[in-house]
Amino acid sequence: DQQVKQNSPSLSVQEGRISILNCDYTNSMFDYFLWYKKYPAEGPTFLISISSIKDKNEDGRFTVFLNKSAKHLSLHIVPSQPGDSAVYFCAASAVGPNKLVFGAGTILRVKS
Amino acid sequence: NAGVTQTPKFRILKIGQSMTLQCAQDMNHNYMYWYRQDPGMGLKLIYYSVGAGITDKGEVPNGYNVSRSTTEDFPLRLELAAPSQTSVYFCASSYLWGGTDTQYFGPGTRLTVL
Repeated sequence: DQQVKQNSPSLSVQEGRISILNCDYTNSMFDYFLWYKKYPAEGPTFLISISSIKDKNEDGRFTVFLNKSAKHLSLHIVPSQPGDSAVYFCAASAVGPNKLVFGAGTILRVKS
Repeated sequence: NAGVTQTPKFRILKIGQSMTLQCAQDMNHNYMYWYRQDPGMGLKLIYYSVGAGITDKGEVPNGYNVSRSTTEDFPLRLELAAPSQTSVYFCASSYLWGGTDTQYFGPGTRLTVL
């Protein structure tokens, strides 16, 4: 039972354009969402997060949007750079001392 | 700070062998975690620890054991390795509980069981 789904295994974008990575969840108890980025042969690194009381959080080129009614969040990267090429994981946690649940990841390739 | 370190980086085991994956962090984090990542899948929590001497099971604990004798170290023990344990293993730590706090990950250990 995948509670966090990233339905696009991969995405290819031209440098300078917008990258949009999507994530859907099924558990309505999730109230905190995070995006992690992973380069080959490295561990994931934290990118950006959003609480369920917000619908948008921005950090430089990265913006996360949350649509609670649709149980959907997205990560926007503008403008995309070749160094953004990595695997992006969406993760979610529920109220209280609950563990992070990760999606399967989306491979982003930014072409120069 | 070295952050979270893991050894070894790669290992090949035969079925039935055992081994310990080492994990250490120098950030004085109370919370530590072990995850596995199978191809095309997200990270799944194996075990976690909320402090020295306290550990608990995650989503996929079968076939593994952990201990936490110090704040810095959180080794993962595989007894009687099976092909289903072929995976990449990540250790992580966080200052607060990892559901709402940034987790810092090690570089991973790629384990193959033949």
